[in-house]
Amino acid sequence: EDQVTQSPEALRLQEGESSSLNCSYTVSGLRGLFWYRQDPGKGPEFLFTLYSAGEEKEKERLKATLTKKESFLHITAPKPEDSATYLCAVQAEAAGNKLTFGGGTRVLVKP
Amino acid sequence: SAVISQKPSRDICQRGTSLTIQCQVDSQVTMMFWYRQQPGQSLTLIATANQGSEATYESGFVIDKFPISRPNLTFSTLTVSNMSPEDSSIYLCSGRLAADTQYFGPGTRLTVL
Repeated sequence: EDQVTQSPEALRLQEGESSSLNCSYTVSGLRGLFWYRQDPGKGPEFLFTLYSAGEEKEKERLKATLTKKESFLHITAPKPEDSATYLCAVQAEAAGNKLTFGGGTRVLVKP
Repeated sequence: SAVISQKPSRDICQRGTSLTIQCQVDSQVTMMFWYRQQPGQSLTLIATANQGSEATYESGFVIDKFPISRPNLTFSTLTVSNMSPEDSSIYLCSGRLAADTQYFGPGTRLTVL
């Protein structure tokens, strides 16, 4: 069974204090790993898809990296508007188009 | 990108009744999905909505409880039938635009009394 575990569950940062979120996964063949941002009361907002170990993608202050067992979402010099829940999800080769989500990391950036 | 809208955005319903949620996508997506997100938890796939044929349900979800329609490439409905308080949740529509991008609607917040 495909499993996705995100850590930490919650993260409190001062503005400008860089940090990383972890997404560990166990799948029988990874087709893609997706990162989303979710604000309270809203649907997830697509950020990145990563496919193979060593791949990196960036968007503003966010950079996602991928290894064979985990992905990291690095937040560089965060601002209060980066406060959100960050979700990762995996698409396994044997699971068709199904995304299996982790529990998310709630990030709070204080000014 | 794709913009996905859902109606209603929220509803409060009595147990035993049914609610139909509508999902409209502004692009012809290849796949459409329905997810559930219970309070404080992550997303769980209910089913894949197939155009012109029966939806494909995940384990634990059945057609009699969650009938789904997808009459064309940009529209789908999810009905939550014979509701109980345990059905209180956020229901999210999702569309796959290309192999590597999947977008979500804003969600429908359902409360069952």
